[in-house]
Amino acid sequence: KQEVTQIPAALSVPEGENLVLNCSFTDSAIYNLQWFRQDPGKGLTSLLLIQSSQREQTSGRLNASLDKSSGRSTLYIAASQPGDSATYLCAVPYNFNKFYFGSGTKLNVKP
Amino acid sequence: GAVVSQHPSWVICKSGTSVKIECRSLDFQATTMFWYRQFPKQSLMLMATSNEGSKATYEQGVEKDKFLINHASLTLSTLTVTSAHPEDSSFYICSARDLESSYNEQFFGPGTRLTVL
Repeated sequence: KQEVTQIPAALSVPEGENLVLNCSFTDSAIYNLQWFRQDPGKGLTSLLLIQSSQREQTSGRLNASLDKSSGRSTLYIAASQPGDSATYLCAVPYNFNKFYFGSGTKLNVKP
Repeated sequence: GAVVSQHPSWVICKSGTSVKIECRSLDFQATTMFWYRQFPKQSLMLMATSNEGSKATYEQGVEKDKFLINHASLTLSTLTVTSAHPEDSSFYICSARDLESSYNEQFFGPGTRLTVL
């Protein structure tokens, strides 16, 4: 069974800082990895999807990297804003079908 | 982008009653849908995989007789919480995999908050 871990569990930074969220997984035979954002009491918003053949993926101020061999992915957020405050989740498919989530990193960006 | 809807968005029911939650893929077909449960301040836990035209497969520890899943068409899966109890109160989220997507990308619904009194 795939296990996904996210560090740190919570992060509080002042506005404007660049930050890195970490995700690790135990089974490196993955098809892809997705990063999601979840606002309190809401569903999930997909941020980035990295295919197993890719090293990184970028969308605006977000950059996600993937190192399959070491079982790690990072989400880099540049010039953070208060609107970035949310819980960030990484998820990995297992056996192509099942999707396992990390415990999430709760981000607070202070104005 | 692909859109997944859930209905209702929230529901309050009495202990012992059954509650049905619908998950629909609005602009794509999905042979496979997934049901997750999220307790407060916890991450999403996969409950079961819903397969169109066949029985759902449940994760270890999830009671299939309590959480009935029906995937009647390529755009609709339903989760019925039978004889609900307060400990079933949770946020239930579904996702669907686009049949035509080669990326195995899953699209998530907005969630349904169930409160059992």
